[in-house]
Amino acid sequence: DAGVTQSPTHLIKTRGQQVTLRCSPKSGHDTVSWYQQALGQGPQFIFQYYEEEERQRGNFPDRFSGHQFPNYSSELNVNALLLGDSALYLCASSLMGQGVYEQYFGPGTRLTVT
Amino acid sequence: GEDVEQSLFLSVREGDSSVINCTYTDSSSTYLYWYKQEPGAGLQLLTYIFSNMDMKQDQRLTVLLNKKDKHLSLRIADTQTGDSAIYFCAESTNSGYALNFGKGTSLLVTP
Repeated sequence: DAGVTQSPTHLIKTRGQQVTLRCSPKSGHDTVSWYQQALGQGPQFIFQYYEEEERQRGNFPDRFSGHQFPNYSSELNVNALLLGDSALYLCASSLMGQGVYEQYFGPGTRLTVT
Repeated sequence: GEDVEQSLFLSVREGDSSVINCTYTDSSSTYLYWYKQEPGAGLQLLTYIFSNMDMKQDQRLTVLLNKKDKHLSLRIADTQTGDSAIYFCAESTNSGYALNFGKGTSLLVTP
């Protein structure tokens, strides 16, 4: 049973560039959430996608956008990168409609902005 | 958003019990979670508890919830060196929605 997968593992970008991160949910899951984890901090919720729509959003600027595809996989896009966007980006998947919505995390994408 | 607070560091000897504490401020928190993160890895869901429960036990893990004081603890019995990691407390007002994490407690288990 495949768990949550993310690509790429590591990424280095220059300030002002744009980046796209990808996530495939755990088999059987239909909901994807994205989190940003800065060094030494806990993860911060960015947004959640269900049925190809953004269902909830955290306190992140519009430079952060996402998409969910019919196969439930998801992309996180960040425009006009800032040095402060350097972080580990985590994707979590869950199954809506279940009694307890356990969120399972992928290994993350380490983004470095120089 | 509402705060989730954890002590930053805990050191225990192998074989002892570890107790990691967490406090939260959102009185509408419905679900409370403990996640484990090993170096360079994502987060592993360890256990969770509903706000209408006081305690949950799962093998070596015991979660205690004091809803009145908004205090959550994770006890690890017979702590092993493989338990060394960062442990995150998280809360959610609705299951399946955004998780609000603390900054994590770094657990070091020494032989």
